[in-house]
Amino acid sequence: DTAVSQTPKYLVTQMGNDKSIKCEQNLGHDTMYWYKQDSKKFLKIMFSYNNKELIINETVPNRFSPKSPDKAHLNLHINSLELGDSAVYFCASSPPGTTQETQYFGPGTRLLVL
Amino acid sequence: GDSVTQMEGPVTLSEEAFLTINCTYTATGYPSLFWYVQYPGEGLQLLLKATKADDKGSNKGFEATYRKETTSFHLEKGSVQVSDSAVYFCALSPYNFNKFYFGSGTKLNVKP
Repeated sequence: DTAVSQTPKYLVTQMGNDKSIKCEQNLGHDTMYWYKQDSKKFLKIMFSYNNKELIINETVPNRFSPKSPDKAHLNLHINSLELGDSAVYFCASSPPGTTQETQYFGPGTRLLVL
Repeated sequence: GDSVTQMEGPVTLSEEAFLTINCTYTATGYPSLFWYVQYPGEGLQLLLKATKADDKGSNKGFEATYRKETTSFHLEKGSVQVSDSAVYFCALSPYNFNKFYFGSGTKLNVKP
């Protein structure tokens, strides 16, 4: 019954490694998002996809590459991880058709780069 | 550009106290306004929303009124409980564009 799910829930890795975070939604939504929440709880949008097409890219470093194999999935791949990438990453989705719709969030992936 | 400003926390209250968390926004056109809540270790959940001026959103005893004249969407609850302890985020979604701008979050601690 999980609406928006993310894996893994926790990720601890070394600087310089490459890692991926997966997101899936079973709500039938067309639009999906990735957000980064820093240690001060500040939440900032990174990417948005609508029907597998990128519509928002908020000046995120090229090391971050989202991939949407279908409209129910939006994965986030991060190359050459840096200390500053440590944060909680949230996936979200919103319904199709109209704008200004409620966003539904996943439980978050806590990334720690050592 | 569009933005949301909310009061800094943490806010510490005793159980049954009255709660106000201030939120003001800057936007062109007619945005929708939202309050989300994040309980410890969890993702954000929608608490309430309002889509046009003078609308009042309400849920679980929380209320917020969309005030266009003061560009505000303050969150209120008449009597808080320990279980309301969480981080509260004000957000806006601009008209005709499915993108959210979040405030910096306000942590609420309610003591028994």
